[in-house]
Amino acid sequence: QVQLVESGGGVVQPGGSLRLSCAASGFSFSNSGMHWVRQAPGKGLEWVAIVWYHGTNKYYADSVQGRFTISRDNSKNTLYLQMNSLRPEDTAIYYCARDLGDSGSYGSLDYWGQGTLVTVSS
Amino acid sequence: EIVLTQSPATLSLSPGERATLSCRASQSVSRYLAWYQQKPGQAPRLLIYDASNRATGIPARFSGSGSGRDFTLIITNLEPEDFAVYYCQQRSHWPLTFGGGTKVEIK
Repeated sequence: QVQLVESGGGVVQPGGSLRLSCAASGFSFSNSGMHWVRQAPGKGLEWVAIVWYHGTNKYYADSVQGRFTISRDNSKNTLYLQMNSLRPEDTAIYYCARDLGDSGSYGSLDYWGQGTLVTVSS
Repeated sequence: EIVLTQSPATLSLSPGERATLSCRASQSVSRYLAWYQQKPGQAPRLLIYDASNRATGIPARFSGSGSGRDFTLIITNLEPEDFAVYYCQQRSHWPLTFGGGTKVEIK
């Protein structure tokens, strides 16, 4: 069965950095686009970024563009989110999610991990 | 970016009743709209994609319709496990965007 397990969350000071990981299993990771989506405490969902199956094409939300970098290692079945220049408003649960389509970017998210909490606070 | 407005914010219903949730886009998204369910402490779950296609394993009591700017999610014969928050999401234009959610609560 499809499994996505996030890790790397924690407490970080404003301006700091954090790297999230998402370990994937139960499907062909190298053929799937992958997303990060976040949810601030008590708030709704906000899409963060996508990386195509091959790792070359990427899109970001305006709110994280230039600060966050999505990447993947298909040999390790792992998705990453490098977060720099963190702000208090980046505090959220970060979910990784699989794209519904084959190979490319479909834009619907059919499997989600349980999330990892990032808290940006001094 | 495309703004999705969901209504109502909260829907108070009893088990066995029918729920009608709406999602309106700030511009046309064709049929590129999905619906997700989220229960407290859990990750979202894909229910419907491309306006009306049920995702794998989703019961037939969930149905979606609409195109262009206006979309509807209907849940017939509400089960106790259906009380949750529901989000719509568009994939027509980057960035992907979600609506603010509709909470379906027990009356």
